[in-house]
Amino acid sequence: QMQLVQSGPEVKKPGTSVKVSCKASGFSFVSSSVLWLRQARGQRLEWIGWIVVGSGNTNYAQNFRDRVTINRDTPTGTAYMELSSLRSDDTAMYFCAANPWGLRYAFDAWGQGTMVTVSS
Amino acid sequence: DIVMTQSPLSLSVTPGEPASISCRSSQSLLQNNGYNYLDWYLQKPGQSPQLLIYLASNRASGVPDRFSGSGSGTDFTLTISRVEAEDVGVYYCMETLHTPRGFTFGPGTKVDIK
Repeated sequence: QMQLVQSGPEVKKPGTSVKVSCKASGFSFVSSSVLWLRQARGQRLEWIGWIVVGSGNTNYAQNFRDRVTINRDTPTGTAYMELSSLRSDDTAMYFCAANPWGLRYAFDAWGQGTMVTVSS
Repeated sequence: DIVMTQSPLSLSVTPGEPASISCRSSQSLLQNNGYNYLDWYLQKPGQSPQLLIYLASNRASGVPDRFSGSGSGTDFTLTISRVEAEDVGVYYCMETLHTPRGFTFGPGTKVDIK
């Protein structure tokens, strides 16, 4: 059974950084691709970035390009998303999702979400 | 930028009745290989999204056959042949063709039961 388990909720101050982890099991992590998204309360899903795990190639949404880093640790089967220079409007639920075959569509495994709250 | 729209934005359905959701893209999602790069996801209340349909018309593993996807180019439809109580939630379409520029979601269609 494909599963993604994300790290726990975070409370951060404006201007700091947050790093969210996403641990995969039940499929070949090295063969997969991982999408990172977020959802502010009552809003639509918004993509942040995408990594092809085997190659490590990444693509970032223009809105986040200057302050996001996505990487992975293949031995532990874990993907990471780090967002810096946090602002109050970064408060949202952050999700990871994976396609087990490294494709850019059909994200069939989802993490449970990590709530990030940015507040002074 | 790609703009994805959905209609209706909310839908109240009687159990056992059909329901359809429309998704439109500002640019064609049909690639030269003949595939339309559009996914449908359902986010049930308090849960993470789950994949329903990929490449416009392919049902994901474990998805009941009452869900079907159709369409090509810029116009797509998700159809639920007979709505059940467990189908409540927000349905999103997502285009996946225009990477690396982005994975763009529609605004979502909230489905509830009458």
